[in-house]
Amino acid sequence: DAKTTQPPSMDCAEGRAANLPCNHSTISGNEYVYWYRQIHSQGPQYIIHGLKNNETNEMASLIITEDRKSSTLILPHATLRDTAVYYCIVRAYNAGNMLTFGGGTRLMVKP
Amino acid sequence: DAMVIQNPRYQVTQFGKPVTLSCSQTLNHNVMYWYQQKSSQAPKLLFHYYDKDFNNEADTPDNFQSRRPNTSFCFLDIRSPGLGDAAMYLCATSREIGGSYEQYFGPGTRLTVT
Repeated sequence: DAKTTQPPSMDCAEGRAANLPCNHSTISGNEYVYWYRQIHSQGPQYIIHGLKNNETNEMASLIITEDRKSSTLILPHATLRDTAVYYCIVRAYNAGNMLTFGGGTRLMVKP
Repeated sequence: DAMVIQNPRYQVTQFGKPVTLSCSQTLNHNVMYWYQQKSSQAPKLLFHYYDKDFNNEADTPDNFQSRRPNTSFCFLDIRSPGLGDAAMYLCATSREIGGSYEQYFGPGTRLTVT
């Protein structure tokens, strides 16, 4: 699976959009981009995934660049409960379901 | 609600004393995983079951074993816990292997070794 690079930490004001970047410059054509988050002392939670089109669900939006070398997870109106470590993971469609977690981004939402 | 349940949430064991952690799921998923997460680190996959087929990660120590007696339950056995095995142990499930299926995680069991 391709390696991902994320900033170690970010701050966001409550009510504002949180934009979390991820670089995956070595991504292959059959690799999806997944986002999970882990709130302190809880198990990771799936957020969203995509292949090449932008995706949106009730939790977030995922914007993937045209060359697929980077993506951005957008939390449109961050709340204090969104404070967590956010993991960007790249995984091939046919490579099993194993997730290789990188360092992630620690997002702190502040009042 | 369908979910992944881990018991106990906190477990204390003595150095060298075998310990078993349990996981159950009401999702009827085919795949169950065990991850180890040490303090301030990302989760690391130990092994997974696809139905009854067991798949061990190459660098998972022999000290760690797993059992899956039926679809709903999966156990993590640590035969002789060392101080370095203190960690959060996370169980997860997914509907299938491959494809784009997401994983559903339990709340974890925090293991302390004294």
